[in-house]
Amino acid sequence: SQELEQSPQSLIVQEGKNLTINCTSSKTLYGLYWYKQKYGEGLIFLMMLQKGGEEKSHEKITAKLDEKKQQSSLHITASQPSHAGIYLCGADRGHAGGTSYGKLTFGQGTILTVHP
Amino acid sequence: KAGVTQTPRYLIKTRGQQVTLSCSPISGHRSVSWYQQTPGQGLQFLFEYFSETQRNKGNFPGRFSGRQFSNSRSEMNVSTLELGDSALYLCASSATENYGYTFGSGTRLTVV
Repeated sequence: SQELEQSPQSLIVQEGKNLTINCTSSKTLYGLYWYKQKYGEGLIFLMMLQKGGEEKSHEKITAKLDEKKQQSSLHITASQPSHAGIYLCGADRGHAGGTSYGKLTFGQGTILTVHP
Repeated sequence: KAGVTQTPRYLIKTRGQQVTLSCSPISGHRSVSWYQQTPGQGLQFLFEYFSETQRNKGNFPGRFSGRQFSNSRSEMNVSTLELGDSALYLCASSATENYGYTFGSGTRLTVV
């Protein structure tokens, strides 16, 4: 099984609807990154969460880290076609006193489609 | 501030050839990581360099190698290309681990 499981694998919503993407880890989470990717392109950094209970927001996107559940969620409010793409969570395993030395473990991604 | 620059953007090579990809990090960033992205395996870590030293390596065969220069620019090399090496290769740079990783646009390698 994957170290990081994202759900759902794909999501189709109508413009204006809210949505949530989850990322669950089978190992302890110390740092969690959210990225967005357009097909075949590079990853765009969205947010980084480092502490349990931490919540960050940018424009209409909010991410939370639940350390106890080893889970992070990404919530988009009032979705727009510009939100469409692949959302990836990446875990940094090395922040508990050590370092991951550049290695992030990624989930398989969630494909988001937003219909106008 | 310029982002992470990867060249070339697209590449087509024949099986058995070798290829070199380049990554110029954000100015001031000394850590450069490389990833391979395929539909089947997703994003997989290749290796990371910091101040010209490889600090971490993923589970890839020895045909995959890299290096980093004194200006922090990095190259990765794949020798004896196989069809399965066709992928999007991404590099990411970081100032320190606590400040996140910025990715480049990637190099799309097709092996025929």
